[in-house]
Amino acid sequence: DVKVTQSSRYLVKRTGEKVFLECVQDMDHENMFWYRQDPGLGLRLIYFSYDVKMKEKGDIPEGYSVSREKKERFSLILESASTNQTSMYLCASSSQAGGTDTQYFGPGTRLTVL
Amino acid sequence: ILNVEQSPQSLHVQEGDSTNFTCSFPSSNFYALHWYRWETAKSPEALFVMTLNGDEKKKGRISATLNTKEGYSYLYIKGSQPEDSATYLCAPPRSARQLTFGSGTQLTVLP
Repeated sequence: DVKVTQSSRYLVKRTGEKVFLECVQDMDHENMFWYRQDPGLGLRLIYFSYDVKMKEKGDIPEGYSVSREKKERFSLILESASTNQTSMYLCASSSQAGGTDTQYFGPGTRLTVL
Repeated sequence: ILNVEQSPQSLHVQEGDSTNFTCSFPSSNFYALHWYRWETAKSPEALFVMTLNGDEKKKGRISATLNTKEGYSYLYIKGSQPEDSATYLCAPPRSARQLTFGSGTQLTVLP
């Protein structure tokens, strides 16, 4: 079974803090994704990586950065957390073959920024 | 960004009822549609990947149909059970590796 794990299920941070969300997958997938989910808005793509050290901006990259130093690990960084970044963050991975490939999701991190 | 619409936004049904909901997507340049189920406190999990016009997929009491010419897919649940309560997401690809997710239909099955 594919397994995607995220470092925390719940996280509470203060405005201005630097926040790291970690994601690890064990299926040797090339593609990894970070989404946020807000009520009524569905899953919105923040960043995407298709290879080690490679990244592409998604729909809402502002205020975020990412790091992919190893194939299995994709980190989302909030440089200076703000209250509007309070959300559910989901990581996913998929193999390289293209648009018919299923994305496998982690359990999510619910981040609250006070 | 693709315009993906799901309706209704939420739905309450009684146990044993059958139900269905809709995903609408741009029909041009279509090549696949994914359906996911997302139960509370769990990870979204894949239900179906549909690629051909007229495709019908089935998994237990859940089935889905696809019309690529008019740009819609229906998800049906026969004899809903409380464990079917979840948010159902559809997602067409918008590039070779990325999906665009609809906002989902939140289904609650009342015992």
